[in-house]
Amino acid sequence: GAGVSQSPSNKVTEKGKDVELRCDPISGHTALYWYRQSLGQGLEFLIYFQGNSAPDKSGLPSDRFSAERTGGSVSTLTIQRTQQEDSAVYLCASTHSYEQYFGPGTRLTVT
Amino acid sequence: GIQVEQSPPDLILQEGANSTLRCNFSDSVNNLQWFHQNPWGQLINLFYIPSGTKQNGRLSATTVATERYSLLYISSSQTTDSGVYFCAVRDDKIIFGKGTRLHILP
Repeated sequence: GAGVSQSPSNKVTEKGKDVELRCDPISGHTALYWYRQSLGQGLEFLIYFQGNSAPDKSGLPSDRFSAERTGGSVSTLTIQRTQQEDSAVYLCASTHSYEQYFGPGTRLTVT
Repeated sequence: GIQVEQSPPDLILQEGANSTLRCNFSDSVNNLQWFHQNPWGQLINLFYIPSGTKQNGRLSATTVATERYSLLYISSSQTTDSGVYFCAVRDDKIIFGKGTRLHILP
């Protein structure tokens, strides 16, 4: 595809349920980032994948959050036992030559 | 880690006005990008500018890496320029400032 895609675009879930958010980066981009953005706030770094290196997980807010990247391409962010404070827009970006390209985001609402 | 500060946090201007947005960073960085987040939430690359000056239409940016700041200039602003402008720098990972919220009045 021409850009970074994310799915679903919107997700409403009940507190305590698990959710999976998907990111399809631009083909050939070796680096992939996940961010979280709460309403009216800046971007909060979550996790960073670079090639085959171990991911930088330093931004994950709790052990309920995990992410994987299969085959150096598609990435999935999983949130277990969701809480209301997890409600936010989750943004994915892929990087080429230090330039980041963002997907449209997944808006997660935990009720 | 590196601190990124943007100013002003909020800016309200009349259509046609010019504006300057600033990004300060606390240490040497490998690169710097400016983004515009439109009112629908999409983040759009404006400039990749680790140093020097670039221009794209009504927008231009200058980074003075030795003095640890970058400026984004918007000339003859339009209502479509409204949104949040972020700068981001790269240390071992990419770090964003909190943004400048720009509102252009018709």
